[in-house]
Amino acid sequence: EIVLTQSPGTLSLSPGERATLSCRASQSVSSSYLAWYQQKPGQAPRLLIYGASSRATGIPDRFSGSGSGTDFTLTISRLEPEDFAVYYCQQYGSSLTFGQGTRLEIK
Amino acid sequence: QVQLQESGPGLVKPSETLSLTCTVSGGSIRSYYWSWIRQPPGKGLEWIAYIYYSGSTNYNPSLKSRVTISVDTSKNQFSLKLSSVTAADTAVYYCARALVPANGYGWFDPWGQGTLVTVSS
Repeated sequence: EIVLTQSPGTLSLSPGERATLSCRASQSVSSSYLAWYQQKPGQAPRLLIYGASSRATGIPDRFSGSGSGTDFTLTISRLEPEDFAVYYCQQYGSSLTFGQGTRLEIK
Repeated sequence: QVQLQESGPGLVKPSETLSLTCTVSGGSIRSYYWSWIRQPPGKGLEWIAYIYYSGSTNYNPSLKSRVTISVDTSKNQFSLKLSSVTAADTAVYYCARALVPANGYGWFDPWGQGTLVTVSS
């Protein structure tokens, strides 16, 4: 099973700043089969990125994904108030596993 | 656009079987994969299983012995059964559409709102 480790556990930033979230896999993720989700309290997760770097429909272009192999990154270029949430990565190249999440909080 | 809605009992007794149904609206269940994912309170996400509209299935190995997923195309619904539940199965259960690429297992979009199932006597 591929284990995904997200860092940091909590990220404290201010609106307007740039956020960089990391997702590291215990072994290579084939074909960059990695997705990112945003989850707000009391809500279902929302797909942001699939295929490591493809934005889902309706996702603002301030969200971008990059990486390959074992190291992947979600970048939010300029934080808006509605971006403060928990973010999960998920790999789907070898079965299906999720990272433990990164909480993005307002500083 | 496609919307999903979970339904089923919110309380299940230990050792019994948890049963949930997901109703798909705004589109056909045909030609897609459909999945169940769960999230224990305050914790992360765990994929349970997915099913193609034709009936082919894929299960999380850690849950496979207790899980059955099925589809009813006439009702645009798919269902989950999880047997021999314990308190560790207490979670919000989400249904979602799985987009499955060649040689891969899929990502999820959209998701239902989720339903909390508590296992307790």
